[in-house]
Amino acid sequence: KAGVTQTPRYLIKTRGQQVTLSCSPISGHRSVSWYQQTPGQGLQFLFEYFSETQRNKGNFPGRFSGRQFSNSRSEMNVSTLELGDSALYLCASSLGYQYDTDTQYFGPGTRLTVL
Amino acid sequence: DAKTTQPNSMESNEEEPVHLPCNHSTISGTDYIHWYRQLPSQGPEYVIHGLTSNVNNRMASLAIAEDRKSSTLILHRATLRDAAVYYCILRDVDNQGGKLIFGQGTELSVKP
Repeated sequence: KAGVTQTPRYLIKTRGQQVTLSCSPISGHRSVSWYQQTPGQGLQFLFEYFSETQRNKGNFPGRFSGRQFSNSRSEMNVSTLELGDSALYLCASSLGYQYDTDTQYFGPGTRLTVL
Repeated sequence: DAKTTQPNSMESNEEEPVHLPCNHSTISGTDYIHWYRQLPSQGPEYVIHGLTSNVNNRMASLAIAEDRKSSTLILHRATLRDAAVYYCILRDVDNQGGKLIFGQGTELSVKP
């Protein structure tokens, strides 16, 4: 079974630009979650989508948005990039039905550098 | 969300057992204890989870204290490949959807 894939793996942008990251979940998984990882803040939850609906959202500004398609693939978008948005962006997929026991499978991440 | 506390770092020798502790004194009765680890330059990966009784799988064992206020992840024979950051996470059925709350974790180094 193919794992979670994320594209692109590396990205360099300049301040003020916007960026779209893509995540393809494991086949059959309906939940996709996004996380931001930085050296200072560690791993922080951005949002989760289940069946094309945002089900949960972390504490990030509105510049961070996402969506999920009918095939469960997900994209996240960051508009008006700031230097502090430089991070590793990870997506994770899961079946999404049992919050307490659901296992999340992570992709390798997209390394975003904002200059 | 209930909080977990882990040591920042631990060292182990290859082929020896490793016990990674986690304190979660505010755990609720319905919280499951999950462990994930993140190898260098990779996304986190699931290790194990449990509710009350001890659990074993091919990767590790999870020992849960009787009062559930602490737990220990046990790697029976550490290998160099086990060098990673290990995260102890609490989740319950009201966990607001698929949200993992990561703390700082324990960075495990394994010496040959």
